[in-house]
Amino acid sequence: GEDVEQSLFLSVREGDSSVINCTYTDSSSTYLYWYKQEPGAGLQLLTYIFSNMDMKQDQRLTVLLNKKDKHLSLRIADTQTGDSAIYFCAGRTSGNTPLVFGKGTRLSVIA
Amino acid sequence: ETGVTQTPRHLVMGMTNKKSLKCEQHLGHNAMYWYKQSAKKPLELMFVYNFKEQTENNSVPSRFSPECPNSSHLFLHLHTLQPEDSALYLCASSQEGDGEKLFFGSGTQLSVL
Repeated sequence: GEDVEQSLFLSVREGDSSVINCTYTDSSSTYLYWYKQEPGAGLQLLTYIFSNMDMKQDQRLTVLLNKKDKHLSLRIADTQTGDSAIYFCAGRTSGNTPLVFGKGTRLSVIA
Repeated sequence: ETGVTQTPRHLVMGMTNKKSLKCEQHLGHNAMYWYKQSAKKPLELMFVYNFKEQTENNSVPSRFSPECPNSSHLFLHLHTLQPEDSALYLCASSQEGDGEKLFFGSGTQLSVL
């Protein structure tokens, strides 16, 4: 089955770009997602990418997908203190298989 | 009220208690989920309901008993839990055919003493 790995911590200065990385094992993953969890809250869908895309941009967020290396990244431009949260990568293969989540990357933004 | 609502937000219970977690979604979705979030572990899928029918049960101990009376409501009944069951329990919903975009509630933080 799918396995999703992420680094656990990332610290950046306010105004810099953040890059959160994720690797997955199942090359047949069709949908890949990034979720954000703020303290005391549930997970919020940030963005997603289909496996037939290499890149997706949505305002300050850029998702890059390298299918050959099974690597997904989330870039946050001009990182703000409000971006401090845990970011989860999740993948799903086709059919009715459920989403598999990584352990999450805790992003700390230093003012 | 919009989105996915979970009650209570916090729950402390003894190992012999019986309690229930409640989830309600106002998004018109047809699938609902229970997840367990423990420190330093990946999010664990517990149960999935599609159109009120349970389609997934990931080897969850029988002390957790889900109930889905309709497509908008989901319960998790708890009985004789163990301290290691202390975690954040998250409910989510999605619309089948929409790429499994999950919408989560804020969770119930459960402590078992």
